[in-house]
Order: sequence, then structure tokens, then C-alpha cells
Amino acid sequence: AQTVTQSQPEMSVQEAETVTLSCTYDTSESDYYLFWYKQPPSRQMILVIRQEAYKQQNATENRFSVNFQKAAKSFSLKISDSQLGDAAMYFCAYRRGGGGATNKLIFGTGTLLAVQP
Amino acid sequence: DTGVSQNPRHKITKRGQNVTFRCDPISEHNRLYWYRQTLGQGPEFLTYFQNEAQLEKSRLLSDRFSAERPKGSFSTLEIQRTEQGDSAMYLCASSFRDSSSYEQYFGPGTRLTVT
Repeated sequence: AQTVTQSQPEMSVQEAETVTLSCTYDTSESDYYLFWYKQPPSRQMILVIRQEAYKQQNATENRFSVNFQKAAKSFSLKISDSQLGDAAMYFCAYRRGGGGATNKLIFGTGTLLAVQP
Repeated sequence: DTGVSQNPRHKITKRGQNVTFRCDPISEHNRLYWYRQTLGQGPEFLTYFQNEAQLEKSRLLSDRFSAERPKGSFSTLEIQRTEQGDSAMYLCASSFRDSSSYEQYFGPGTRLTVT
């Protein structure tokens, strides 16, 4: 079975600084996707960034980028120029690929990010 | 607002009562998911619909839980004879099958408290 592990329950960063959130996963599949979702307090979960396993190039979305190490099964999220609005719970998630798959998401336990002004 | 909506947002019920939650997905999305999130944990998959067909159910979904998606539009999740362990946030998500990554869009959730 696939598993996702986030070993940092809480992280803190100063405004305008850079922070990296860690995620490791375990799978025997070759076709899969990895995601980082953001869940602000009392607000709905939104997708931050997505990485396809077959792509070697790391995904980037504005201030958010990932370091995808397929062999090590590691998928970290880097937030540059942190802003107060980045404060939230961040979840790493895995999903099998392939058209016939359910595409259900398997989540880690989350990292609570605090941004200090 | 054309996002995923869920009702009610909060539900407090007494142990043993039945509750029903509703999810309205994004209109063109044919895939719908239910997840459960307990405090301090990530969401866990409960069940999945493609159009009106329920194609997968998690072992977490005991016999007291039932989900439907009539006509492939909105979905309901019913919990019968609620237990205190059912207290959680119930999240609904939807996706469009033909999108390249089947990105899931989440609703705000229904927080259930069983007293």
C-alpha cells in the first residue's frame, strides 16, 4: 500500500524568508502524481503545486517550488519570500496514475506552517 | 461561486442519531470523492463516484455509512446510529475525468460533532 509521511508537524518562518517542508512517500507504482495542498484555518483545501512522476523537471508555481527526488521517494516544498497569507496546514498527497485508477488521494499528516511578521 | 459546496457546514448530533450531508460538485465534474479528516490528521479516502456509479469504498466506510449520487450530480453521505468516533470533518472533492491530472477541488467540509 502507498504511504505518505510528513515528519515535521510544525514549522515556523520569518516573513520574506524561505522555508522547506519535507515529504516522503512509498509506492511500487511507476505512474503517479504528487501534490502539495494548503488548508488555511477554517477554510477549504486548495492545490498549491503538482508533480508528475514521469517528469524529471521540478514543478514551480510562482513562489512555490518542489524538489522531487524520485529514487529517494522524496518530495519537498520550498516556499520563497514567505508571506503572512502562507500560514496554513500543508498536506503532501499521492495519487496513482493511469486512466483506470480511482485517483483517490493519499495524504500525509500535515505540517502546520506559522509565518512570523 | 462555482466551487464545490457542502451543507451543512456544521452539525451537532447526539449519539445514535442519523445525519445526512450534501455535496454539490463543480457542475461539469463527473468524479466525486468523500474524505474524512480527524483532528491532527490528513484526510482519509471514504468513497468515490464516477457519474452516478459508486466505484470504490474504503474499509473505513462501515455499514452505518452510505453514500449516493443520484443522476450523477450532487451527492449525499448518510451516517446511521452515529457514534462519538464519527466526529470529524467530512470533505467532498470533485474532478473532471478528462483533465490531464484529474485535479481534485475540495469543498469547505462539514464538521460533525457527536455528543
